Amino acid sequence: AQKITQTQPGMFVQEKEAVTLDCTYDTSDQSYGLFWYKQPSSGEMIFLIYQGSYDEQNATEGRYSLNFQKARKSANLVISASQLGDSAMYFCAMREGDQAGTALIFGKGTTLSVSS
Amino acid sequence: DSGVTQTPKHLITATGQRVTLRCSPRSGDLSVYWYQQSLDQGLQFLIQYYNGEERAKGNILERFSAQQFPDLHSELNLSSLELGDSALYFCASSGGGFQETQYFGPGTRLLVL
Repeated sequence: AQKITQTQPGMFVQEKEAVTLDCTYDTSDQSYGLFWYKQPSSGEMIFLIYQGSYDEQNATEGRYSLNFQKARKSANLVISASQLGDSAMYFCAMREGDQAGTALIFGKGTTLSVSS
Repeated sequence: DSGVTQTPKHLITATGQRVTLRCSPRSGDLSVYWYQQSLDQGLQFLIQYYNGEERAKGNILERFSAQQFPDLHSELNLSSLELGDSALYFCASSGGGFQETQYFGPGTRLLVL
């Protein structure tokens, strides 16, 4: 069963608009972490934002914020004031494991296109 | 720049061959992770090393092996290569605590012909 679901294959937004990229997850663990990464066309994976399962406040990093709804098991990424440079693939990931070993489980990604 | 380095950036080889991908983690990071990104499988976790020891294993084929050396750099060895092994291979590193963020290298793009 898919543990990270990103239902939007592609999203289109104009510059300066806000956009929400959806992510739902499935886990029975009480302690887990959720991440968003950006992959531009050049291929590198850039860390954007992190939310721990016990964090009471939504994470924010500059123009990025994470709308964390634990009961609904969703961790949506909100990008405010989109810029052309935000055009990229965005991946939601969940950390699985514990002190003995850990891994990131990724969703299939959402392609964001920002136009002027 | 994440501070994680990977070499080579591109690799073209033939089926049946063996290649070695190299990764240097960020300064001070003890954990190294390997991931494979392909069009059909997406991003998949392969293996984790922590301070030289294997810690977690994902969907890594038996033809693939990895190790982490005393200076903490890591190598991923891919042997008996098949067309389907063509992919982008990422190395990531973290400080070692399991809650820490993984920072990714630029990747090695492997093409098997």
